Amino acid sequence: EAQVTQNPRYLITVTGKKLTVTCSQNMNHEYMSWYRQDPGLGLRQIYYSMNVEVTDKGDVPEGYKVSRKEKRNFPLILESPSPNQTSLYFCASSLLGQGESEQYFGPGTRLTVT
Amino acid sequence: AQTVTQSQPEMSVQEAETVTLSCTYDTSESDYYLFWYKQPPSRQMILVIRQEAYKQQNATENRFSVNFQKAAKSFSLKISDSQLGDAAMYFCAYRRYSGGGADGLTFGKGTHLIIQP
Repeated sequence: EAQVTQNPRYLITVTGKKLTVTCSQNMNHEYMSWYRQDPGLGLRQIYYSMNVEVTDKGDVPEGYKVSRKEKRNFPLILESPSPNQTSLYFCASSLLGQGESEQYFGPGTRLTVT
Repeated sequence: AQTVTQSQPEMSVQEAETVTLSCTYDTSESDYYLFWYKQPPSRQMILVIRQEAYKQQNATENRFSVNFQKAAKSFSLKISDSQLGDAAMYFCAYRRYSGGGADGLTFGKGTHLIIQP
C-alpha cells in the first residue's frame, strides 16, 4: 500500500529536550516536505527536499532542522523544543515533474511542548 | 509570495442541499495547481479535487465540483447533495510548478463545514 508514515503520532515533551519525528514514504517520491498546522492559521511549510541531500527552508523554518540521507526518509529535528512549537505536524511527499502535483500526506504527529 | 484566502471560517448546510466554499488566491505565475483538501476529525488530509491552471474546464469528482476563474483568481468548491460525512475542515491550497522543480503547498486558513441533519 502506497503511504506516508510518521512516528510518533503523539508526543509530549519538555522544553529543551531534543526530539526527532520520523517520516518515511514507499512511493519513490523525490519531493518531501514538512508542514505544521495551527488553529486559525492553516498549514504552513517548514522545510522541503527535492531529492537526497537537497533541502531548503519553507515559510516557518526557525527552530527546526531536517536531513535527507535516503530518498524514502525525511526526519524533522527539534534541537531545543519550545512551547510555541506545540502543533500538529504533517509530512508529505510527491513526484516532481509537470503534472505531478498531488502531495500525499502522512497521518500527522501531535506535539506538545511543556 | 503567493497567498490563499478563504473568507468563510465556518459554513452550515442542511443535509442533501448544496453548499459552495469560497477561495481566492494571489499569484503572478501562469502555471500552477489548485486543490481542495478535506480534514475530518481524524486529522488526515484527504485530497478532494484538483485543478490545473492551464485547463479551462472545471474539475469535477462525483458530488464535488469547482468553479475556477483564472482571471479573477477564484477557486470555489461546490458540494452537491451534502452528506453527514462531508462535515470537516476544508482547505484550499495552491502549488506553483516551475519546470523540474516545485514549491510546497500554500494553504488557506480553512473553512469548517457543518452538516445539519
